[in-house]
Amino acid sequence: GAVVSQHPSWVICKSGTSVKIECRSLDFQATTMFWYRQFPKQSLMLMATSNEGSKATYEQGVEKDKFLINHASLTLSTLTVTSAHPEDSSFYICSAQGLAGTQYFGPGTRLLVL
Amino acid sequence: TQLLEQSPQFLSIQEGENLTVYCNSSSVFSSLQWYRQEPGEGPVLLVTVVTGGEVKKLKRLTFQFGDARKDSSLHITAAQPGDTGLYLCAGVDGSSNTGKLIFGQGTTLQVKP
Repeated sequence: GAVVSQHPSWVICKSGTSVKIECRSLDFQATTMFWYRQFPKQSLMLMATSNEGSKATYEQGVEKDKFLINHASLTLSTLTVTSAHPEDSSFYICSAQGLAGTQYFGPGTRLLVL
Repeated sequence: TQLLEQSPQFLSIQEGENLTVYCNSSSVFSSLQWYRQEPGEGPVLLVTVVTGGEVKKLKRLTFQFGDARKDSSLHITAAQPGDTGLYLCAGVDGSSNTGKLIFGQGTTLQVKP
């Protein structure tokens, strides 16, 4: 149980395009999901907290107009990187919070912006 | 602001050796979690420690939560190449009501055969 999926697992796009990443909790409902960014051999950096049915809460320094988050249902949150640039290339990971508060992580999405 | 200091950040050892990873804070955490992450994958939860002084074992891995709930350690006995990965400690941010996690910097472990 407690499986979280992400789609796509990797994506290559041209600079200036937008990319949408989906995060789904497959066998449980999650009112709260989290989006992280990770650089090679570094820890996870929290970008934002996604709440079902309400606006996301962004961490300091994260541009909300750049990283659009939508949490339309209890099993799906999406992160859209708008007008992506090479510096947005990274590994993006989501997590979904279960009933006991434990976070279950997705497998990550590697984004490469050319 | 709660912080978690994890050490060492990098560790390269031979198969069969023992090692310990530390996770320290000046703040009290209600619980701490340990995750292991392999390249290109998401973190996988290894254990959650909740009670001060608690010791949990997972095969060759031993996790300890400090008496004051400000620190934790992960000890691996007779490390195997399959133990290679990034180890992360994390605790719930007490200043937030969303349950967001604070992560340590991570420890990259390489076990050579």
